[in-house]
Amino acid sequence: GAGVSQTPSNKVTEKGKYVELRCDPISGHTALYWYRQSLGQGPEFLIYFQGTGAADDSGLPNDRFFAVRPEGSVSTLKIQRTERGDSAVYLCASSLAGTAYEQYFGPGTRLTVT
Amino acid sequence: EDKVVQSPLSLVVHEGDTVTLNCSYEVTNFRSLLWYKQEKKAPTFLFMLTSSGIEKKSGRLSSILDKKELSSILNITATQTGDSAIYLCAVGNDMRFGAGTRLTVKP
Repeated sequence: GAGVSQTPSNKVTEKGKYVELRCDPISGHTALYWYRQSLGQGPEFLIYFQGTGAADDSGLPNDRFFAVRPEGSVSTLKIQRTERGDSAVYLCASSLAGTAYEQYFGPGTRLTVT
Repeated sequence: EDKVVQSPLSLVVHEGDTVTLNCSYEVTNFRSLLWYKQEKKAPTFLFMLTSSGIEKKSGRLSSILDKKELSSILNITATQTGDSAIYLCAVGNDMRFGAGTRLTVKP
């Protein structure tokens, strides 16, 4: 069956630009997570959706970062006024019903801000 | 502040060796501890541990949780080159990850 997919796989943008990263979770998974991973680090939690609502957005580093999941399936992570420090691999994961279940990760989007 | 610490940060062994990876945590709201293997991009799930003292096993891999010591170990016996990866543990409601242990298995 289809796993979690993320698009684009790579994104290069200039400092100050706006980017959108997309995540398609496994069908039927109600929970969706966004993480950011820098080289040599473990994934850093950004936001967790249960259905359409953000159950926990405490990991978003500042108000330039925003994520939506309007229909409880696909999610978009939006970054405004990108900075070089935003360069990282952005990982999305989904799970059946929440944090008590194992997460399945997508391949990630590598964002490079020049 | 919640934190998850993994040790060692990196490990180099030869095929056939047994390794033990450690994960210790301090989180305010523990629900489960998860182990993942990350080779190229996406971490792949290995184990979820919720109860202390109960070993989970999958082939040559096994893991156990010690809630008293706030830690978990991941054992890999008879290591193979295909076990080379970064092993991550994650804890808590907000899935806080450790920095990982980079395991290299030499032929």
